[in-house]
Amino acid sequence: GESVGLHLPTLSVQEGDNSIINCAYSNSASDYFIWYKQESGKGPQFIIDIRSNMDKRQGQRVTVLLNKTVKHLSLQIAATQPGDSAVYFCAENMGRRSYIPTFGRGTSLIVHP
Amino acid sequence: DSGVTQTPKHLITATGQRVTLRCSPRSGDLSVYWYQQSLDQGLQFLIQYYNGEERAKGNILERFSAQQFPDLHSELNLSSLELGDSALYFCASSAQGSEQYFGPGTRLTVT
Repeated sequence: GESVGLHLPTLSVQEGDNSIINCAYSNSASDYFIWYKQESGKGPQFIIDIRSNMDKRQGQRVTVLLNKTVKHLSLQIAATQPGDSAVYFCAENMGRRSYIPTFGRGTSLIVHP
Repeated sequence: DSGVTQTPKHLITATGQRVTLRCSPRSGDLSVYWYQQSLDQGLQFLIQYYNGEERAKGNILERFSAQQFPDLHSELNLSSLELGDSALYFCASSAQGSEQYFGPGTRLTVT
């Protein structure tokens, strides 16, 4: 069936390094993608989004890349900090009328000082 | 702080019981969403309300129901609780067509 998934369940990096979190999606009809960050004991927090008519979008220290050819999404975090340690979810929205994202399982990012 | 509040923060109850989770959306947001997050299923969409009316339904069991009141707060009712209903329940709100803001969640433990 259609699904959103993450390649790596855990990613460990050193403070100051760049982090790349990957996500595969299988529904070619998805037109909107979102990255969320969830810290321990908190709800998911919106990081950045991208629409299917774009292939790159930048925020503060974060960049999302969308490759529709291979149905791949990535989140790049520059100069990773200990405060970036969290679970990161990608989500895809498969409906234009309802904003209902389908979440992947998540990748745990661990930043070592 | 997302601006979305949820009560209670923790809830422990027994199988067969009924509980009500409450959510207050961000000021001005008309849409409220409910999600269940468990270790084995991840974050699952349950139901969405928009300005008091049900807008979309996801993987919500018949034992579960929700409503959104005129003041826009929402309640999720879980009945005939089973051990497998133990999870984190999140509420999120959004303005139309924009990103969702999640509350801190309610941790439900069914014993």
